[in-house]
Amino acid sequence: GNSVTQMEGPVTLSEEAFLTINCTYTATGYPSLFWYVQYPGEGLQLLLKATKADDKGSNKGFEATYRKETTSFHLEKGSVQVSDSAVYFCALNDYGGATNKLIFGTGTLLAVQP
Amino acid sequence: EAGVAQSPRYKIIEKRQSVAFWCNPISGHATLYWYQQILGQGPKLLIQFQNNGVVDDSQLPKDRFSAERLKGVDSTLKIQPAKLEDSAVYLCASSGGRGEEQFFGPGTRLTVL
Repeated sequence: GNSVTQMEGPVTLSEEAFLTINCTYTATGYPSLFWYVQYPGEGLQLLLKATKADDKGSNKGFEATYRKETTSFHLEKGSVQVSDSAVYFCALNDYGGATNKLIFGTGTLLAVQP
Repeated sequence: EAGVAQSPRYKIIEKRQSVAFWCNPISGHATLYWYQQILGQGPKLLIQFQNNGVVDDSQLPKDRFSAERLKGVDSTLKIQPAKLEDSAVYLCASSGGRGEEQFFGPGTRLTVL
């Protein structure tokens, strides 16, 4: 079945460091890909998405490119801030008939130190 | 615009007791989802409603879990009887339709002792 694998955390960085969180997927067909963020005490929020191969999603300085050849959707940010500390989830949209469920990776905790 | 509302935010119960969670989706959203997020794992879909009909409940443990969405708006998820392994965060999400963005509520954290 369809699945998502993302790098384990926690990832600890100093402010202004470069961030990469790896995500690879297994899917039949051509799913849409997403990054969700969960700040402490809050619900999941959509960070960015890409709906087809070579699309680049971007938001709040974060970027991820849909790479069909490597089945990857790695999250990057050039300069992280303390306020980026959160759990990041990679996900794909598993279309199956009328269903529209999201399949998530296990999440990666990012801790940014001042 | 109000987001997805859930209550309670926290619940602690003994095993074999019953518990119910409530979700109010974003106004006008036809599709409602319940996800279970066990500590250290990503959310997993339990059930998806389209209006008041069930679209997917293949991952719902039907011997103990039930859900309903009366009148196609609010939804309740019930567990009876609860087991230790049901300890998790239960997330409700809604979307305007198939293929549209899913908006998540803050979740209900359940602890079963």
